[in-house]
Amino acid sequence: GAVVSQHPSRVICKSGTSVKIECRSLDFQATTMFWYRQFPKQSLMLMATSNEGSKATYEQGVEKDKFLINHASLTLSTLTVTSAHPEDSSFYICSAAGRLMNTEAFFGQGTRLTVV
Amino acid sequence: AQTVTQSQPEMSVQEAETVTLSCTYDTSESDYYLFWYKQPPSRQMILVIRQEAYKQQNATENRFSVNFQKAAKSFSLKISDSQLGDAAMYFCAYRNPPQGGSEKLVFGKGMKLTVNP
Repeated sequence: GAVVSQHPSRVICKSGTSVKIECRSLDFQATTMFWYRQFPKQSLMLMATSNEGSKATYEQGVEKDKFLINHASLTLSTLTVTSAHPEDSSFYICSAAGRLMNTEAFFGQGTRLTVV
Repeated sequence: AQTVTQSQPEMSVQEAETVTLSCTYDTSESDYYLFWYKQPPSRQMILVIRQEAYKQQNATENRFSVNFQKAAKSFSLKISDSQLGDAAMYFCAYRNPPQGGSEKLVFGKGMKLTVNP
């Protein structure tokens, strides 16, 4: 299957700072990328969908000014958690799909964010 | 809106035995895709199997097979000859066919599978 690389795998940041998470498709062009948040022992919650070159579409209840998503190229999307607070601590996962991949998306390894 | 229901939060199975994970979904679409994903302790999401709704034949991948009942909107996963490495969270997921761009996955709440030696 196609490879999606997410970085960093773990990050600890101080409250009030911003942190950026990268999601790269290594061997295909990702026309669409999805960002999820997962709380312990729960399912994946879709935060936003981003199409290359367009503004991200955020799910209801997700603050777009808090979680900035950029999908400037066909191989890279970034999620920036701005002015992070302890309640933003969570596991964040990206997935990517290409134009020709009309059946599945591929997942990154996830990022464990801890805000102290 | 589409919904996916996994009613069993946890199951356990003895090594080498067979276990079936249940999933139901709700949609008004006639064409769609269904998936089972595995999330081991590493938390990497791994695609186990997928089913296209227009295909009547049930998908199989080695020890994994599905029982797709379109009229009942049921999509169960059977794991045969269970192995210790099968222990994980399993998520059932639904997806509409692409319309211009890729469509999002709708996940069930997940089910924790324990495999006992």
